[in-house]
Amino acid sequence: AQSVAQPEDQVNVAEGNPLTVKCTYSVSGNPYLFWYVQYPNRGLQFLLKYITGDNLVKGSYGFEAEFNKSQTSFHLKKPSALVSDSALYFCAVRPTAAGNKLTFGGGTRVLVKP
Amino acid sequence: NAGVMQNPRHLVRRRGQEARLRCSPMKGHSHVYWYRQLPEEGLKFMVYLQKENIIDESGMPKERFSAEFPKEGPSILRIQQVVRGDSAAYFCASSPGTGLSTDTQYFGPGTRLTVL
Repeated sequence: AQSVAQPEDQVNVAEGNPLTVKCTYSVSGNPYLFWYVQYPNRGLQFLLKYITGDNLVKGSYGFEAEFNKSQTSFHLKKPSALVSDSALYFCAVRPTAAGNKLTFGGGTRVLVKP
Repeated sequence: NAGVMQNPRHLVRRRGQEARLRCSPMKGHSHVYWYRQLPEEGLKFMVYLQKENIIDESGMPKERFSAEFPKEGPSILRIQQVVRGDSAAYFCASSPGTGLSTDTQYFGPGTRLTVL
């Protein structure tokens, strides 16, 4: 069975500093990997996904993520965080050969301080 | 292009009542997924449907929960005889008709169910 771990419940960063949100996964075979962001009392917004090809994926709002197969990681990054990036971030995995359901990590709350 | 629509946004039920949650997928999408989010937790998959077909219901509780996606109209998640433990946010997502596992799922705003 597949699983996703987001080891940090919360990440605090000063505005303008780099932001990293960690994600590791466990899946049989090759994974499809996704990042979503959730603002308070809202649904999830899609940020980016890795399917194949270049390990560095660029997404919405200046976010990017790097797929590292040897470390089974897919960390989300942003070079310069904004206060408006404060939200709950979810990493998700879908095995390539096991249906369409997403398995989510527990989420990481990001707090960007002015 | 409207996104995924869910209604109601908030639903309050007393124990033993029925809850009906509705989801209209994005235009052009024919695949619908339901997920449940308990407070301070990630989303857990419940069911995956195409029009008139349940494709994967491996995440659905065995009793009281059912889902449908009729040929016409929205997808419905029905919870019979609700209990306090059913209190959660229920999210619907949709994806394009290709059905490929590479497809992105787009989420609605959720229905927050409170059982008194």
